[in-house]
Amino acid sequence: NAGVTQTPKFQVLKTGQSMTLQCAQDMNHNSMYWYRQDPGMGLRLIYYSASEGTTDKGEVPNGYNVSRLNKREFSLRLESAAPSQTSVYFCASSEAAGATNEKLFFGSGTQLSVL
Amino acid sequence: GENVEQHPSTLSVQEGDSAVIKCTYSDSASNYFPWYKQELGKRPQLIIDIRSNVGEKKDQRIAVTLNKTAKHFSLHITETQPEDSAVYFCAALFSGGYNKLIFGAGTRLAVHP
Repeated sequence: NAGVTQTPKFQVLKTGQSMTLQCAQDMNHNSMYWYRQDPGMGLRLIYYSASEGTTDKGEVPNGYNVSRLNKREFSLRLESAAPSQTSVYFCASSEAAGATNEKLFFGSGTQLSVL
Repeated sequence: GENVEQHPSTLSVQEGDSAVIKCTYSDSASNYFPWYKQELGKRPQLIIDIRSNVGEKKDQRIAVTLNKTAKHFSLHITETQPEDSAVYFCAALFSGGYNKLIFGAGTRLAVHP
């Protein structure tokens, strides 16, 4: 099992460009998440999907959209990238939000730079 | 609001010493508190967690304590080793609609030989 796979690993965008970060998990998890990591600010939740067919905003959703394509895949889209979105993005999954096991499994991260 | 505060932001210890990282949370209804370790350039990984029905949990050299009344929990690492050097994140599970984990800002631990 690969666990949580996210692509790309690195990306450079110009201000105003759009892109989609892809994430897939093969653990049959119900819940998936997108976090961003900035120095001194820890991991901040952008959006999450508690189960297939549902998505909800996290702490910092502005400038992002998400799609839970199916149970395996959860994508994050930047419609018009801004320098403030320069960050490391992590996708994660867990068995189920609100269940007794909330352990998160993280992908390897995407380092995004917006110039 | 949903908030987790973590201190200190950096911590430097000598090999063999103990390290303690502390977190406080805002929601008294939170009942799950994990700790994640992130080595340089790697993904965060769960190292230990605790639920509100216990006050302490140990796993070899690491332990976590929870004080629900004061709404704080701590990570204790004993006999530190250079491979313990990493960024450590605490988190708390907040309810309201769907449960979601909110992380602290992280503590960069450096263990010097």
